[in-house]
Amino acid sequence: DVKVTQSSRYLVKRTGEKVFLECVQDMDHENMFWYRQDPGLGLRLIYFSYDVKMKEKGDIPEGYSVSREKKERFSLILESASTNQTSMYLCASSLMDRWNIQYFGAGTRLSVL
Amino acid sequence: AQTVTQSQPEMSVQEAETVTLSCTYDTSENNYYLFWYKQPPSRQMILVIRQEAYKQQNATENRFSVNFQKAAKSFSLKISDSQLGDTAMYFCAFIYSGGGADGLTFGKGTHLIIQP
Repeated sequence: DVKVTQSSRYLVKRTGEKVFLECVQDMDHENMFWYRQDPGLGLRLIYFSYDVKMKEKGDIPEGYSVSREKKERFSLILESASTNQTSMYLCASSLMDRWNIQYFGAGTRLSVL
Repeated sequence: AQTVTQSQPEMSVQEAETVTLSCTYDTSENNYYLFWYKQPPSRQMILVIRQEAYKQQNATENRFSVNFQKAAKSFSLKISDSQLGDTAMYFCAFIYSGGGADGLTFGKGTHLIIQP
């Protein structure tokens, strides 16, 4: 089974802190994604990556950056966390050959106080 | 850009009943995929069913089936013989098939509650 692991289930940070959300997949997937999930808004794409060191902006990249130094790991970075970034963050991955099937992690619920 | 609309924020049915969740979408593309994902309280997103736009036959997976109306841009999910374990958030999603790696576009979700 494909496993997408997000390092934290719950995270509490202070306004202005630099925050790293980590995601690791174990199936050699080329594509990785970060989504943000808010009640009443569904999931929205923040960033994705189709290869090491490559990144593409999604629909809501403002206030976020990403890093992909290794194929299996995709990090979401909040340079200076703000209260409006309190949300659920979901990571996903997919194979280049079966790019339309995305596998999701269990999510990180981030609270910024 | 494509949009996905789920007009039912919440639905509740009795166990063993059949329930249909609605989804409409808007796109200028001709080739795409549509999905239904389930997110139970555990938060793990699970792919329920997938439909390729060029296939006229509706997809089915055990108790789950879709009614895909391409001209109407409608993609509803039918759950037969509903079970308590079907209680979850259900998201309809779209992806363009010509773009290679790309993110999914999701609807806002429908919270389905199966009552015992």
